[in-house]
Amino acid sequence: DIVMTQTPLSSPVTLGQPASISCRSSQSLVHSDGNTYLSWLQQRPGQPPRLLIYKISNRFSGVPDRFSGSGAGTDFTLKISRVEAEDVGVYYCTQATQFPRTFGQGTKLEIK
Amino acid sequence: EVQLVESGGGLVQPGGSLRLSCAASGFTFSSYEMNWVRQAPGKGLEWVSYISSSGSTIYYADSVKGRFTISRDNAKNSLYLQMNSLRAEDTAVYYCARVGTLAAAGRGFDYWGQGTLVTVSS
Repeated sequence: DIVMTQTPLSSPVTLGQPASISCRSSQSLVHSDGNTYLSWLQQRPGQPPRLLIYKISNRFSGVPDRFSGSGAGTDFTLKISRVEAEDVGVYYCTQATQFPRTFGQGTKLEIK
Repeated sequence: EVQLVESGGGLVQPGGSLRLSCAASGFTFSSYEMNWVRQAPGKGLEWVSYISSSGSTIYYADSVKGRFTISRDNAKNSLYLQMNSLRAEDTAVYYCARVGTLAAAGRGFDYWGQGTLVTVSS
């Protein structure tokens, strides 16, 4: 199984400041079709998860452009350029390159 | 508007059974792969099972293999999860999640239901 490891697990951030979350996979997420199926989810308190980023760096429909993704192979990063109050929640990386699908442990973003 | 609505959760004794349903609307259900994902109270996300659009390909997490059965009825726009031999560690909110197309969502979990809570306790 592919293990997804996120750091940090908790991130206190000042409003208006940037935030960054790292995700490392135990093996390459490059699929045999050439795509890298790494995505990021946001889960606000009391809500189901919501897709933010897919295939490393593509924002899903309706996602603000302050969210961006980068990386390759086994190392990936989610960045928020300027944190807003509505960004509070838990962020998960997940891979769809192989079964079983796996998730990172989650990173809790909170406001200082 | 894409909607996924889970139902069927509740309190069940260890060793008991439960059948979850997920009613889909707002899209052509028969064209999309689907998953069940669960979240234990205060914990992270755990993938449970996958089913292809036709139902011909199915995968399970090792933790539920042999006890859970995923199925779908494309005529009824519905996804199911039959859960048998339930254990305390199966206690979680169960979400159904759609697999997005390669072009629009890179095969990510693009839409999620609100979830249904399953509690396994005596």
